[in-house]
Amino acid sequence: KNQVEQSPQSLIILEGKNCTLQCNYTVSPFSNLRWYKQDTGRGPVSLTIMTFSENTKSNGRYTATLDADTKQSSLHITASQLSDSASYICVVTPTDSWGKLQFGAGTQVVVTP
Amino acid sequence: DAMVIQNPRYQVTQFGKPVTLSCSQTLNHNVMYWYQQKSSQAPKLLFHYYDKDFNNEADTPDNFQSRRPNTSFCFLDIRSPGLGDAAMYLCATSRDKGDNSPLHFGNGTRLTVT
Repeated sequence: KNQVEQSPQSLIILEGKNCTLQCNYTVSPFSNLRWYKQDTGRGPVSLTIMTFSENTKSNGRYTATLDADTKQSSLHITASQLSDSASYICVVTPTDSWGKLQFGAGTQVVVTP
Repeated sequence: DAMVIQNPRYQVTQFGKPVTLSCSQTLNHNVMYWYQQKSSQAPKLLFHYYDKDFNNEADTPDNFQSRRPNTSFCFLDIRSPGLGDAAMYLCATSRDKGDNSPLHFGNGTRLTVT
């Protein structure tokens, strides 16, 4: 069973609207939780990295939150743009096996005019 | 100014014909990874190197081999590609092990097996 589950699997939003993506994980203990953006046909690009002790991290219009007690993270996109259309992947780094990052399957976001 | 470069971007090979994918980095990072990503799925780790120290995932098929001749280059060899090996292959680097620095990914090689 995947240790990182993301929801929704996909979503469509209107340009200018906000959206929130969810990531639930069972990896424990963990060193950090990362969010990546992957455009179609490209490699993932890092958006945010939060250590286990951080609650929130922002990168422009992207804001990630982390609740280590409930093992949940979210990525909020503010004032979406067409260029935000991509897959957003949640990745958790286990403390005891640093090289074996646990990837979620991603949320496919489509922003429409 | 690409920092992790994968070649080729697209590779077509015949069933059973060996193929090599390459990855180079200008970041001087110690760690390099190879991932396989199939459509709408999470990337799956095949191997990673910490410097020359090679780590093979238990479920990586024997058909897949890797070489890292120096810090900058890493190769993925698929000895006898099957139809199920068609996927995007992603190379990534990180500065060191166990730290909180981001992974830097290349743009991948899309492998088609005919």
